[in-house]
Amino acid sequence: DVKVTQSSRYLVKRTGEKVFLECVQDMDHENMFWYRQDPGLGLRLIYFSYDVKMKEKGDIPEGYSVSREKKERFSLILESASTNQTSMYLCASTRGTEPNIQYFGAGTRLSVL
Amino acid sequence: EDQVTQSPEALRLQEGESSSLNCSYTVSGLRGLFWYRQDPGKGPEFLFTLYSAGEEKEKERLKATLTKKESFLHITAPKPEDSATYLCAVKRGATNKLIFGTGTLLAVQP
Repeated sequence: DVKVTQSSRYLVKRTGEKVFLECVQDMDHENMFWYRQDPGLGLRLIYFSYDVKMKEKGDIPEGYSVSREKKERFSLILESASTNQTSMYLCASTRGTEPNIQYFGAGTRLSVL
Repeated sequence: EDQVTQSPEALRLQEGESSSLNCSYTVSGLRGLFWYRQDPGKGPEFLFTLYSAGEEKEKERLKATLTKKESFLHITAPKPEDSATYLCAVKRGATNKLIFGTGTLLAVQP
């Protein structure tokens, strides 16, 4: 079974703090994704990585950056957390070949106060 | 612009009362439509992938079908444990990225 592990289930941070969200997958997947999920808005793609050290902006990258130094690990960084970044963050991974099923972690619920 | 719309937003059923969830999509050249189930406080769990109009897939009480403009998730004789949010997504062009709908929240009452 594919396993995607997010380091924290719940986080509470203060405005202006630098926040790191970590994601690890154990299936040697090439592609990894970070989404945020908000009520009424669904899942929105923040960043995408298709290989080590390679990244691509998604639909809402502002205020976020990412790091992928190793194939199994994809980190999401909030450089200076703001209250509008309070959300559920979901990491996913998939192979580079069809059928490209995305497998998700359990999510990190981040509250920025 | 690629778009995915799910309806209804919420659906309440009695146990055993069959129904369908809808996912309509606008995408240039469909390269895969995905259904996921999401339980509260958890990440989405993959259910089905469909690729071409007329295709159907089944798993227990769930059956997914696909036409050129929409997909249906049919739930036959649902049980309370089928209660969840069901998400639909389509692949964007030649990429591995997905566009998600906002989901249907299903509640099945005993």
